Amino acid sequence: GESVGLHLPTLSVQEGDNSIINCAYSNSASDYFIWYKQESGKGPQFIIDIRSNMDKRQGQRVTVLLNKTVKHLSLQIAATQPGDSAVYFCAENGSSYKLIFGSGTRLLVRP
Amino acid sequence: DVKVTQSSRYLVKRTGEKVFLECVQDMDHENMFWYRQDPGLGLRLIYFSYDVKMKEKGDIPEGYSVSREKKERFSLILESASTNQTSMYLCASSQGQGAGAQHFGDGTRLSIL
Repeated sequence: GESVGLHLPTLSVQEGDNSIINCAYSNSASDYFIWYKQESGKGPQFIIDIRSNMDKRQGQRVTVLLNKTVKHLSLQIAATQPGDSAVYFCAENGSSYKLIFGSGTRLLVRP
Repeated sequence: DVKVTQSSRYLVKRTGEKVFLECVQDMDHENMFWYRQDPGLGLRLIYFSYDVKMKEKGDIPEGYSVSREKKERFSLILESASTNQTSMYLCASSQGQGAGAQHFGDGTRLSIL
């Protein structure tokens, strides 16, 4: 079936640097994408979403880029902080009410 | 902010017991979901509900049932718990029709002995 995947399972960055987390999706019909952050011991937390009629959307310190040509999604975090350390998931809308989640990338922020 | 509350953070039960996991959301969302999360397997959808008294099977419904008697509450039931149901269980809710942003609770870590 259709699935969402991630290129890098673990990303280590220096505090203050920018982070880029990537995601490949396989369903060209998907038109809605979400990034979640999951800290240890907590549930996934909504960060930002984007619809397929856009290629970029910005939030506070985060930017999501969507490249529909190559079916690629990325999350950019500016000036990464220790509190950004977490597992990040992308998700795409599947059939009906379902979301299809990627397996996650762990972001480690070095002091 | 959306608040999704799961009744227990940690739960230990015995094989064969009937187990109830409760979830409540306070944002009047139409849709509610139950997932399990296991290392290496990611989030897997067990059941979801898009209206009171309505339920739909997810990807792994075997061994589970659900109940949605009120809009704000969605219960997951393990009819006869087994050790392979030891997992982190996550409840989520979303608004409106179709696949939208889901908001999660902090999970129940369930151990079946």
